[in-house]
Amino acid sequence: DTAVSQTPKYLVTQMGNDKSIKCEQNLGHDTMYWYKQDSKKFLKIMFSYNNKELIINETVPNRFSPKSPDKAHLNLHINSLELGDSAVYFCASSQSTDTQYFGPGTRLTVL
Amino acid sequence: GIQVEQSPPDLILQEGANSTLRCNFSDSVNNLQWFHQNPWGQLINLFYIPSGTKQNGRLSATTVATERYSLLYISSSQTTDSGVYFCAARLGSWGKLQFGAGTQVVVTP
Repeated sequence: DTAVSQTPKYLVTQMGNDKSIKCEQNLGHDTMYWYKQDSKKFLKIMFSYNNKELIINETVPNRFSPKSPDKAHLNLHINSLELGDSAVYFCASSQSTDTQYFGPGTRLTVL
Repeated sequence: GIQVEQSPPDLILQEGANSTLRCNFSDSVNNLQWFHQNPWGQLINLFYIPSGTKQNGRLSATTVATERYSLLYISSSQTTDSGVYFCAARLGSWGKLQFGAGTQVVVTP
């Protein structure tokens, strides 16, 4: 049973398009996150939700909009994709501020 | 915000060797985690260790919070230990987890 899953695993799209990445966790955790990993492997938090409430919102362009329909899901919608959005996006979850468990990542390539 | 620095940036090991990775952080933390990113990109949590020492098989970690550093020990390294090791630290209860730049480890047979 996969603990934190993301779809799709790969996403190739044209500049200007809108795309979504979905994340689900079956660990019963109350907190979920989105991270961006750039080409140099640097990991940076984008958003965090606790019990469906947004608690961390880093300086991310407002083209990125997270949505948490329930505690087990956190989706990421990106409008008007740009070349610089190409990266690997990781979803993670934790119980409160304990150990974070990461999904397999979504490699986004914007052409 | 908190600064997290890891050293060395790169490490090449012969299989069977031992090594120590270091993580320095700029402020008092209440959350320190170590992760391993394997060559296929999967991020696996290794330790949640805001203070003290923990062991898990051939890996162990020590955090000395008062001196603002954490160490990850790899003993009898194996090729499957290759990948990037990240430490991450949090300031305060609900602050963001700040990741270091990682240590790229290559274990050769």
